[in-house]
Amino acid sequence: AAGVIQSPRHLIKEKRETATLKCYPIPRHDTVYWYQQGPGQDPQFLISFYEKMQSDKGSIPDRFSAQQFSDYHSELNMSSLELGDSALYFCASSSDFSSSYNEQFFGPGTRLTVL
Amino acid sequence: AQKVTQAQTEISVVEKEDVTLDCVYETRDTTYYLFWYKQPPSGELVFLIRRNSFDEQNEISGRYSWNFQKSTSSFNFTITASQVVDSAVYFCALSEVRSGNQFYFGTGTSLTVIP
Repeated sequence: AAGVIQSPRHLIKEKRETATLKCYPIPRHDTVYWYQQGPGQDPQFLISFYEKMQSDKGSIPDRFSAQQFSDYHSELNMSSLELGDSALYFCASSSDFSSSYNEQFFGPGTRLTVL
Repeated sequence: AQKVTQAQTEISVVEKEDVTLDCVYETRDTTYYLFWYKQPPSGELVFLIRRNSFDEQNEISGRYSWNFQKSTSSFNFTITASQVVDSAVYFCALSEVRSGNQFYFGTGTSLTVIP
């Protein structure tokens, strides 16, 4: 079965550079979530989209922005990267915004290292 | 405030022993969902179980079992006859209907099964 695809899987950037992470949800899933997991920490919710509109916002820094496109894939844009942005970034998708019961299917994550 | 508390940071057991991972949650919603995820060293989040707030039945799946008690706001996870492959970080998560379905993760319990 198709899963959530994230690219790239690994990314190395210098401080103050920009990075773009991509997420391709499971086909027919209309909701995408982004999470950030720092080293030794639990995943923290950043932002979510439903039907290409931002639906909820968590602890996402102002330097970050995200959007969901017409094909439902999503991109997380990160500018002026800082050392503290080094983390594992997860994308998750689900198929029914109105029902929490729907499991969020997580992608394999993108490991970002900022040097 | 942490909505999900996993008091056990690290646990070590000898292979074939049983182990219980504790999870205590906090919510004012009457409708919510609880999850357990496994994160092996490779980093991906592996879905284990989903439980909604109206279903307090315990569940068993092979060597895994879950005990959901609303009276104590707990959703504990037991691994019977542990195996080395069970070594991973385990996260408990809460999803509330009124919070846009984002996941609140606990801080995780790192389980090491010693051969």
